[in-house]
Amino acid sequence: GDSVTQMEGPVTLSEEAFLTINCTYTATGYPSLFWYVQYPGEGLQLLLKATKADDKGSNKGFEATYRKETTSFHLEKGSVQVSDSAVYFCALSDVDTGRRALTFGSGTRLQVQP
Amino acid sequence: GAVVSQHPSRVICKSGTSVKIECRSLDFQATTMFWYRQFPKKSLMLMATSNEGSKATYEQGVEKDKFLINHASLTLSTLTVTSAHPEDSSFYICSASLPTSVVNEQFFGPGTRLTVL
Repeated sequence: GDSVTQMEGPVTLSEEAFLTINCTYTATGYPSLFWYVQYPGEGLQLLLKATKADDKGSNKGFEATYRKETTSFHLEKGSVQVSDSAVYFCALSDVDTGRRALTFGSGTRLQVQP
Repeated sequence: GAVVSQHPSRVICKSGTSVKIECRSLDFQATTMFWYRQFPKKSLMLMATSNEGSKATYEQGVEKDKFLINHASLTLSTLTVTSAHPEDSSFYICSASLPTSVVNEQFFGPGTRLTVL
């Protein structure tokens, strides 16, 4: 079945540091890929998405590129802020399988220190 | 963008009672909604897929008689935790997908924190 693997957290960075959160996936079909962010005590918000190979999703300074050859969708940001502290989830949607629910990674907690 | 609301945001109940959680799509019609459960510092676990006008599809290991799901309209799905026990304490999150979305982008509610005493 489909699966998503994320790097273990927590990731602790100083403000203005470069961020990378790794995400790889396995899927039977040709999935769409997403990054969601969850701030403390809140639900999930869509951060960015990509629907085909080599697509780059971007939002709020975050970027991720759909790499089919390496089955990866790593999240990056050039300069993190304290307000970026949250849990980040990589997810895929593989509608080719008929399953409409998302498959999530385990989440990576980011802590940004001033 | 599409907005999904949940009510209540927090609920505390006694063991043995039932609790109903509502999930509403505020500005779009959702033929399919999803219910997830999230344990502390863990990822989301899909509980069931709720289809308007038909029975929900439960994931393996989820007790359908304990977690009753009703999707009576295109904008409302409810999850009722029956005879709640302390182990049911968790963060419950619903989501809905746009019917016209070919990539199945989902919009999430803010979640409901259930505490069973």
